[in-house]
Amino acid sequence: NAGVTQTPKFRVLKTGQSMTLLCAQDMNHEYMYWYRQDPGMGLRLIHYSVGEGTTAKGEVPDGYNVSRLKKQNFLLGLESAAPSQTSVYFCASTDRVYNQPQHFGDGTRLSIL
Amino acid sequence: GESVGLHLPTLSVQEGDNSIINCAYSNSASDYFIWYKQESGKGPQFIIDIRSNMDKRQGQRVTVLLNKTVKHLSLQIAATQPGDSAVYFCAENRGRDDKIIFGKGTRLHILP
Repeated sequence: NAGVTQTPKFRVLKTGQSMTLLCAQDMNHEYMYWYRQDPGMGLRLIHYSVGEGTTAKGEVPDGYNVSRLKKQNFLLGLESAAPSQTSVYFCASTDRVYNQPQHFGDGTRLSIL
Repeated sequence: GESVGLHLPTLSVQEGDNSIINCAYSNSASDYFIWYKQESGKGPQFIIDIRSNMDKRQGQRVTVLLNKTVKHLSLQIAATQPGDSAVYFCAENRGRDDKIIFGKGTRLHILP
């Protein structure tokens, strides 16, 4: 049972480059989330999705885009990477928000030079 | 600013003792609370949760207490072990919103 899988696990980019982070879940969950985690801070929500074909902005959406074309996948895109986007990115999914904890992947460590 | 926070950023506990990690929340509309454990290099892992109609919930070696009067949440870990060393986050769901809010975390350090 894989749960939530994030790829890649590590990546180094140059400023201005673009890339896509992939999150895949095999639990048939409706809700999926992208967070970033910086030193000394908790998890901050970037974007989320309440179902296939839907997305919504979270707390820190600027500089990121997302897509949920398939229920099991949630993609996070950086169109033009900036050093301020150096962070650890976590994906999570849940069947419902209330009374149901989120399941997390092990993160993507992204460095922007 | 954060409405979910923790009183102590770092907690050091002797192995075998009980640990208590605290969390404060500010929104009285929050009705679902979760504790997560995050080990180094890993994603947050669910420990235990509690709904606002409960004051206490017990799991294996862990207990969560909820005091709605003072908007306070605590996680108690019995007989702390080296494997408990991690960062612990509390999180809240506000009125069945589509998302939850995380606190900044407390690092639990186990002394031999």
